[in-house]
Amino acid sequence: DIQMTQSPATLSASVGDRVTIICRASQNIRSWLAWYQQKPGKAPRLLIYEASSLESGVSSRFSGSGSGTEFTLTISSLQPDDFATYYCQQYDTYSTFGQGTKLEIK
Amino acid sequence: EVQLLESGGGLVQPGGSLRLSCAASGFPFSSHAMTWVRQAPGKGLEWVSAISGTSVSTFYADSVKGRFTISRDKSKNTLYLQMDSLRAEDTALYYCAQAHTNSLFDLYFHHWGQGTLVTVSS
Repeated sequence: DIQMTQSPATLSASVGDRVTIICRASQNIRSWLAWYQQKPGKAPRLLIYEASSLESGVSSRFSGSGSGTEFTLTISSLQPDDFATYYCQQYDTYSTFGQGTKLEIK
Repeated sequence: EVQLLESGGGLVQPGGSLRLSCAASGFPFSSHAMTWVRQAPGKGLEWVSAISGTSVSTFYADSVKGRFTISRDKSKNTLYLQMDSLRAEDTALYYCAQAHTNSLFDLYFHHWGQGTLVTVSS
């Protein structure tokens, strides 16, 4: 099974900061990676697919990069609405989610 | 507008069974693979199972293989998850979600329901 590891588990940042979340796969998943945002009590929301393609309607402040085994999600200028938990997901072989990164207000 | 509405959750004893449903609308149901993803209380997301648009192919996570069965009814635009031999560790909020295409090779999810809670406890 492919394991997905996110870092950090928790990230404290301020409005206006640029932040990066890292996701590592236990084996080569090419570019078959998605990122989701989840707020408390809500369903996840797709942000990025195929490692770097922005989902329709998602702010261009979000960007994704990487291939193979290492990927990043970057938020260019944090807004109050961005404080949430973020998950990566591989879909190269079946599907596996990372354990999540909680983005908190500093 | 795509809508996914889960139902069927509840309290069940260990070893029991439950069938979840997900009523879909707002898109051509057979044109999209569908999936179940669960989230234990206070925990992360866990992919559970997926079914292709034509129902020909199904995938299961190792944690549920042999106990859960995914199916879909195109006449009712409804996705199902039959859960047997339930364990305490199956306690979670179960989401259904719409995949990008009708195959099981594009398993990322544009639209999600709001979830149905399954509690396995004596």
